[in-house]
Amino acid sequence: LAKTTQPISMDSYEGQEVNITCSHNNIATNDYITWYQQFPSQGPRFIIQGYKTKVTNEVASLFIPADRTSSTLSLPRVSLSDTAVYYCLRQQAGTALIFGKGTTLSVSS
Amino acid sequence: EAGVAQSPRYKIIEKRQSVAFWCNPISGHATLYWYQQILGQGPKLLIQFQNNGVVDDSQLPKDRFSAERLKGVDSTLKIQPAKLEDSAVYLCASSLGVPGPSYEQYFGPGTRLTVT
Repeated sequence: LAKTTQPISMDSYEGQEVNITCSHNNIATNDYITWYQQFPSQGPRFIIQGYKTKVTNEVASLFIPADRTSSTLSLPRVSLSDTAVYYCLRQQAGTALIFGKGTTLSVSS
Repeated sequence: EAGVAQSPRYKIIEKRQSVAFWCNPISGHATLYWYQQILGQGPKLLIQFQNNGVVDDSQLPKDRFSAERLKGVDSTLKIQPAKLEDSAVYLCASSLGVPGPSYEQYFGPGTRLTVT
């Protein structure tokens, strides 16, 4: 069972940087770390994926240390529209996603 | 590019009735998934198809749930008979399914099922 551990909830204010840390001990060599975002009444949406070190796209950055036992999703300058549930997942090529409860991020003005 | 389409968006039925959900994946996507999401939890895989073959249905309650993917494109998920605990959002997702570093899955909007 590909499990990860992340905080149940986080609160932030508009304009702040938000870092969500995820623990994934005993990660397999062929596991990638993938983050999804889910808004109410919508399906999850892919945010970012990485294997090691740092990955950045137009939405977020993902930091994965050399031992790969944890990862941090960084959302720069959040806005109210970033209020959502964020899921950290270990993913192997071609396999289904195993979701936990995710982190509910609440952004206030 | 059109996204994953699902219908209906909402369905209310009584327990012991039957219901069917439909999914049309993104064109060219070989892999199709059905997930069940109960309120307050993350989605849980029910079944995974690769083209029209089943890859993983280990968590599908086969006594009441069935799914098919004819011609490797559209898929239907059926529940017969429904139970109260089947109330959930049923999500369909698809992915390219070819080897590569990213296996991004694209999710549809889901069907919200309420069993009374």
